[in-house]
Amino acid sequence: NAGVTQTPKFRVLKTGQSMTLLCAQDMNHEYMYWYRQDPGMGLRLIHYSVGEGTTAKGEVPDGYNVSRLKKQNFLLGLESAAPSQTSVYFCASSYSTGRRGQPQHFGDGTRLSIL
Amino acid sequence: QQQVKQSPQSLIVQKGGISIINCAYENTAFDYFPWYQQFPGKGPALLIAIRPDVSEKKEGRFTISFNKSAKQFSLHIMDSQPGDSATYFCAASMNTGFQKLVFGTGTRLLVSP
Repeated sequence: NAGVTQTPKFRVLKTGQSMTLLCAQDMNHEYMYWYRQDPGMGLRLIHYSVGEGTTAKGEVPDGYNVSRLKKQNFLLGLESAAPSQTSVYFCASSYSTGRRGQPQHFGDGTRLSIL
Repeated sequence: QQQVKQSPQSLIVQKGGISIINCAYENTAFDYFPWYQQFPGKGPALLIAIRPDVSEKKEGRFTISFNKSAKQFSLHIMDSQPGDSATYFCAASMNTGFQKLVFGTGTRLLVSP
């Protein structure tokens, strides 16, 4: 039972490069989320998806794009990486709010450094 | 705009002691208050959660106390153990179709042996 799997675990990019972070979940969850975690800032929601083919902006969406072509996968893209995007990125998934208070299940994160 | 304020930033407690972490919120529409625990190199995991219709919820050594009038809630860890050393995040959300969690800034707890 893998839960939420994020790849890669670590990555170093140069300013202006692009990359895609992959998140996969095997719990048949409807909802998926991308967060970034920065020291002293907690977790901030970047984008989220309430189902296959749908995405929406969270609290800090600028500079990121997402896609959810399959229910189990949620991709986070950086088109032109900036040093301000150096962070730890977490993907999470959960059942829909049809079951109130469902926990969000997190992956172990991707540590991304932009030089 | 931070909607959930968490304190302290860090906490050192002796083994067997009580750890207390506090959170305050502004939005009275919040109706779900979870606490997440995060170990180094891992993602956060749900520890315990409460709704505003109760003032306290206990699960083992972990207790949430909730004060609706003061818009505050806290996590108490009784008989703290070195294995409890982790970062703890409080959060809050409204059940308005999509349950978007607003997280506090986190408290790094160290339980000394």
